[in-house]
Amino acid sequence: GQQVMQIPQYQHVQEGEDFTTYCNSSTTLSNIQWYKQRPGGHPVFLIQLVKSGEVKKQKRLTFQFGEAKKNSSLHITATQTTDVGTYFCAGPGNNRKLIWGLGTSLAVNP
Amino acid sequence: GAVVSQHPSWVICKSGTSVKIECRSLDFQATTMFWYRQFPKQSLMLMATSNEGSKATYEQGVEKDKFLINHASLTLSTLTVTSAHPEDSSFYICSASRGTAHPQETQYFGPGTRLLVL
Repeated sequence: GQQVMQIPQYQHVQEGEDFTTYCNSSTTLSNIQWYKQRPGGHPVFLIQLVKSGEVKKQKRLTFQFGEAKKNSSLHITATQTTDVGTYFCAGPGNNRKLIWGLGTSLAVNP
Repeated sequence: GAVVSQHPSWVICKSGTSVKIECRSLDFQATTMFWYRQFPKQSLMLMATSNEGSKATYEQGVEKDKFLINHASLTLSTLTVTSAHPEDSSFYICSASRGTAHPQETQYFGPGTRLLVL
């Protein structure tokens, strides 16, 4: 079945360092979405990418959608302690479901 | 916009009792609602997809008689965990989708319900 893989599973960085998480789908996606879940919280929608090769920025966050629309990445420049949490990618599956990656948990040492 | 509420946020109950969790879309009509379960340090596991006025579609391995879902209106879906047991203890999260007219299939999540079955 359709799968979305995400790496790494965990990442520890020093505050100020950059961070990247990668997402790969077993099938071509019509779009990919990114969510952030803070410790103890619920997932919050960050962004959706639709076009092949699309790049979107939100302040220090840069999101990319691959040319083949099967992979995506989220890059955070100069991490801050407020970036701590788990970042999930998700792509649409059948019947309007989202197929979720396992998430990348980011820890930032101050 | 796109606020989803969930109630209660915490539940502690005895084994064998039933627990009802409500999910409401506060400022939009949700054509579809989803129920997830999440264990500590794990990803979201979809339990079922719920469309207003029709039966929920359950994921493989999810017992529909144990996890009763009702989607009575475009703003309310409920999940009832019947005869709860300690292994049902988890973080239950609902999400709602506004439909394809908006950011495609974007899901807006409720704050979640932490269930502890003693």
